[in-house]
Amino acid sequence: DQQVKQNSPSLSVQEGRISILNCDYTNSMFDYFLWYKKYPAEGPTFLISISSIKDKNEDGRFTVFLNKSAKHLSLHIVPSQPGDSAVYFCAAINGSSNTGKLIFGQGTTLQVKP
Amino acid sequence: GAGVSQTPSNKVTEKGKYVELRCDPISGHTALYWYRQSLGQGPEFLIYFQGTGAADDSGLPNDRFFAVRPEGSVSTLKIQRTERGDSAVYLCASSPGYTRDTQYFGPGTRLTVL
Repeated sequence: DQQVKQNSPSLSVQEGRISILNCDYTNSMFDYFLWYKKYPAEGPTFLISISSIKDKNEDGRFTVFLNKSAKHLSLHIVPSQPGDSAVYFCAAINGSSNTGKLIFGQGTTLQVKP
Repeated sequence: GAGVSQTPSNKVTEKGKYVELRCDPISGHTALYWYRQSLGQGPEFLIYFQGTGAADDSGLPNDRFFAVRPEGSVSTLKIQRTERGDSAVYLCASSPGYTRDTQYFGPGTRLTVL
């Protein structure tokens, strides 16, 4: 079963506008969430993370929001730039596990048009 | 400094053959992870090393898959009697050691089983 879901396979936005990428999870034991960005032929690159004790974390143009009651998180990119075009993965870590293994969603391909 | 490197970048083999995939983590990183990414999916956890020992191998799909990290640095993922369903990108990541530390990914090895 897919414990982390990204229901939008793709998203297209205009340069300068906001990009909102969504992620839902089912396991209430997840206590740490991350977003990774991936360009073709490269490995995923860490973007931003959030602990379950917070509801928002901001880093420059990137903000992650966490709604624990809805088991939902989102990544906001403002303003979007053409270089942001990539596949974005949401990932989670199970707090009851003593490993850092990441449970990934399927990914959302973001295209930012100039 | 140097990032995570993986060799080979591409591997084509025939069904039933044995393959080895290598990962060189970032120097000093004690935690090492292997993931597998199939087309259109997010990375899927395979195995986690803390130092030389496999602390969590719950993601290995069956006993054809095995991984080692004999000196706590380089790791090798070994696949016996390859099957067409093993075709995927195999990603390696390393982190300083704590479970919430950022994982840094290599570019991956694309394995194709004919």
